[in-house]
Amino acid sequence: NAGVMQNPRHLVRRRGQEARLRCSPVKGHSHVYWYRQLPEEGLKFMVYLQKENIIDESGMPKERFSAEFPKEGPSILRIQQVVRGDSAAYFCASSQSGVVNTEAFFGQGTRLTVV
Amino acid sequence: QKEVEQNSGPLSVPEGAIASLNCTYSDRGSQSFFWYRQYSGKSPELIMFIYSNGDKEDGRFTAQLNKASQYVSLLIRDSQPSDSATYLCAVKGSGGYQKVTFGTGTKLQVIP
Repeated sequence: NAGVMQNPRHLVRRRGQEARLRCSPVKGHSHVYWYRQLPEEGLKFMVYLQKENIIDESGMPKERFSAEFPKEGPSILRIQQVVRGDSAAYFCASSQSGVVNTEAFFGQGTRLTVV
Repeated sequence: QKEVEQNSGPLSVPEGAIASLNCTYSDRGSQSFFWYRQYSGKSPELIMFIYSNGDKEDGRFTAQLNKASQYVSLLIRDSQPSDSATYLCAVKGSGGYQKVTFGTGTKLQVIP
């Protein structure tokens, strides 16, 4: 987990509220990935971003979910009007562009619980 | 076809046996391949990477890559109960963005 910071680690929201999940990538990494994981299930790709650009959002629900990775500051995954089914672990990973033989590093995840 | 495919398992092996985990990928131009391990409730951590055809050994782990068959595998020798986890295969693509794509993982259970 070489430096990917996610916060908060745990987030509790009531149905209908907004959840904002933050991810600060490894210093120098310009690519960020967001994944969702339900208990006992695999990682599900949501969105892939480069600084100021969404490259691939094919895994992200069209409604209520959005993601950004601004020029300055962390990447944000935003879930509006949360529902019970949004309860999951959300992992962020970052990787370096321009260098083929480097891996993606994961953060510790944010556990979202919708009550 | 999924970009990176893995059998979800669970794969059960007795302690001391060899565990064999497999992964296929669709992007023929992919150049970098990674294996991650994820313990329940934790985030994935990198355990092996391989870039060239053939075998790469690191302790009890051996990664095997066959680019012609678009196949990468991970062998775990002398499996231990502590190896019980989900193993994720990841492939770095050949496109301009070099996106890292993960499989959904294979759950390994090592039976004492």
